[in-house]
This record gives sequence, structure tokens and C-alpha cells, in this order.
Amino acid sequence: DTEVTQTPKHLVMGMTNKKSLKCEQHMGHRAMYWYKQKAKKPPELMFVYSYEKLSINESVPSRFSPECPNSSLLNLHLHALQPEDSALYLCASSQGVLIGELFFGEGSRLTVL
Amino acid sequence: DQQVKQNSPSLSVQEGRISILNCDYTNSMFDYFLWYKKYPAEGPTFLISISSIKDKNEDGRFTVFLNKSAKHLSLHIVPSQPGDSAVYFCAASARETSGSRLTFGEGTQLTVNP
Repeated sequence: DTEVTQTPKHLVMGMTNKKSLKCEQHMGHRAMYWYKQKAKKPPELMFVYSYEKLSINESVPSRFSPECPNSSLLNLHLHALQPEDSALYLCASSQGVLIGELFFGEGSRLTVL
Repeated sequence: DQQVKQNSPSLSVQEGRISILNCDYTNSMFDYFLWYKKYPAEGPTFLISISSIKDKNEDGRFTVFLNKSAKHLSLHIVPSQPGDSAVYFCAASARETSGSRLTFGEGTQLTVNP
């Protein structure tokens, strides 16, 4: 099983809503990542978790709140987002933060109205 | 500051010919380089990688070349197939200092015509 599964695939939310994006991997990887990708732009790193602990936060606004409940799951909680936060949110995992290539999920397409 | 650059937004080649995708980088701390392929509505898929201690890595139809002095790498696909049509992202990491944190280029749309 070499998949990273993300749900939902599409999400539309208002600026006052609270929603969550979910990511799951069963490859035994100990590092998990959230990336954000705008149209025709490269993916940009948001957060890195290593062994279920947040190791990197790329100065992401607090309206994005990551959570790693266990080694297989990664969530991204969304609250009071802005329309400019509309993007494709990609989850990825790797064997560790120092080893292994990143395996990406298909992404969650978020639209903020 | 774009540390990884793919200067060609698009490339079109004929089926069976060679596709050459180029990537330049500015950060001399980068020591690991990867190519990802991305189809519409899918996440990037890892294709091939190369460590800075090598200058070439080959995997089937895909070969990556690294020129450290020029801070340049390229991906060669031969022979090209219509199924190779996708956006190709070059990515780099500085494993000693930043681990697997990747910096991506802006991507090149490859179209392989039958």
C-alpha cells in the first residue's frame, strides 16, 4: 500500500465556517507534511510533523491549525479563512524528515467564499 | 527569491523523440534533487531523484543529470510517450540542514504528440 489518502477531495466553505481536511497513510512513514498549491504555482510547504510532533511551521497564519493524532493521520483544521486561502492542499509523507522521497496525496481542493 | 527555477513553462515533443526538461537552482546547500510528475486533479508523483554526490541517475526511460558547478539539472525522457504528458516539477532539498523539506520549481507542462 503506497497511498496517501486525503478527504474531502473538494470543500467549499464560508469565511465563518470551521472545517477540517484529513490525511491518512499506512506506509509506516514517520514524517507527514501539508503543502499548499495555488493555480500554476509550485507547492509551498506549510507544516512538517516528525514522529507526531510539529517540527516546522512555515509562518502559516493561525487560522490554519494542524494536528497529528497518530503516526498515520494528519489533520488540518480551518477556521475564519479568507478567499485568498482557496487552493489545493496537499498532504505528503516520507520515511523520515531526513530520509525518503515524499509521497503525495491527490489533494483537497478548497474554495473559500 | 525563487531558489529553484524551471524557465520553460511548456515543452512539446513528438512521440518517440527525446524530452529534455531543465531546472536551475541557486542555493548551494541543496544536496538532493527530485523530479515529480503531476496530472490534473492528482497530487505530484515521485519520478526520479539524484544525490549531489552523483552526476547521473537512470531509471528506465528517465535519466536525470546533475551539473553542480552550473547548478543545473535536467530530466531526459526517451522515448517520449503520449502518457508522459503532464506537468513536471523539479524539487530540491538541503538534507543536512532542512531534511526532506522540498523547494519546488514552477513546473514545465510537457505535451507529447502522437
